Amino acid sequence: ETGVTQSPTHLIKTRGQQVTLRCSSQSGHNTVSWYQQALGQGPQFIFQYYREEENGRGNFPPRFSGLQFPNYSSELNVNALELDDSALYLCASSLVGRTSSYNEQFFGPGTRLTVL
Amino acid sequence: GESVGLHLPTLSVQEGDNSIINCAYSNSASDYFIWYKQESGKGPQFIIDIRSNMDKRQGQRVTVLLNKTVKHLSLQIAATQPGDSAVYFCAENIQGGSEKLVFGKGMKLTVNP
Repeated sequence: ETGVTQSPTHLIKTRGQQVTLRCSSQSGHNTVSWYQQALGQGPQFIFQYYREEENGRGNFPPRFSGLQFPNYSSELNVNALELDDSALYLCASSLVGRTSSYNEQFFGPGTRLTVL
Repeated sequence: GESVGLHLPTLSVQEGDNSIINCAYSNSASDYFIWYKQESGKGPQFIIDIRSNMDKRQGQRVTVLLNKTVKHLSLQIAATQPGDSAVYFCAENIQGGSEKLVFGKGMKLTVNP
C-alpha cells in the first residue's frame, strides 16, 4: 500500500453532468498529480498541483480542473462529462524539494468513472 | 477488475522462466525512466528506475536496460513467479517543470504455473 487514498472507488454519471474526485496524498508529500487511464492504455498526465497551485498541465481541456488544499489533499473536477471521459482516474503524490532530482510518485488505487 | 489488461499486447511465460518486456520511448530529451507494475484494481506500483547516464540497473530479480541510441528500454524479470502476473508500463520523465510522466502502452504478463 502506498498510503495514497482515493474516493469514491467507482462512480457512474451521465453525459453533461459534473463530477468531483478526491485524493489524499501520502503523509509528508506536498505534490499531487492526476492521470487518466482509458481502457487498455497507459495513464495520461492531466495536471499536477504543488503547494496549492497548478504546476503543469497535459493535453486536457479546461473542463478538467483541480484543487489542492493546505493539507495537500486534492480534488479533480470534470464538467460537462462526455462518454470518452469514462476511465480510471489515478492520483499520485510525491515530495518535491529544492533539488532537481526526480521524486518518486506513489499512486493511489484510482476511481473508476463510467459516463453513460 | 481486469480492464487494465484488455486490448494490451500479452506475454505468457512459464513459472521459473525469465521474462523480458520491451518499451520504446519517444523523447530523446527524457532523462529518467521508470518501470511500473499494475495489478488488477490497483494503481501503478514502482518497480525500478534508471537515469539517462546509465545503461543498466539491477534490483531484486529485475534488471532494466537502457539504449539511448535507439530509445529503447527493457525490463528483465528473473525466475518469473505467478505473483508477477500484471500489466507492466514504462514511463519517461523530462526533467524540469512538473515532472510529468509519459507512459508507454503497456504489456500484460501472464505467468503460468
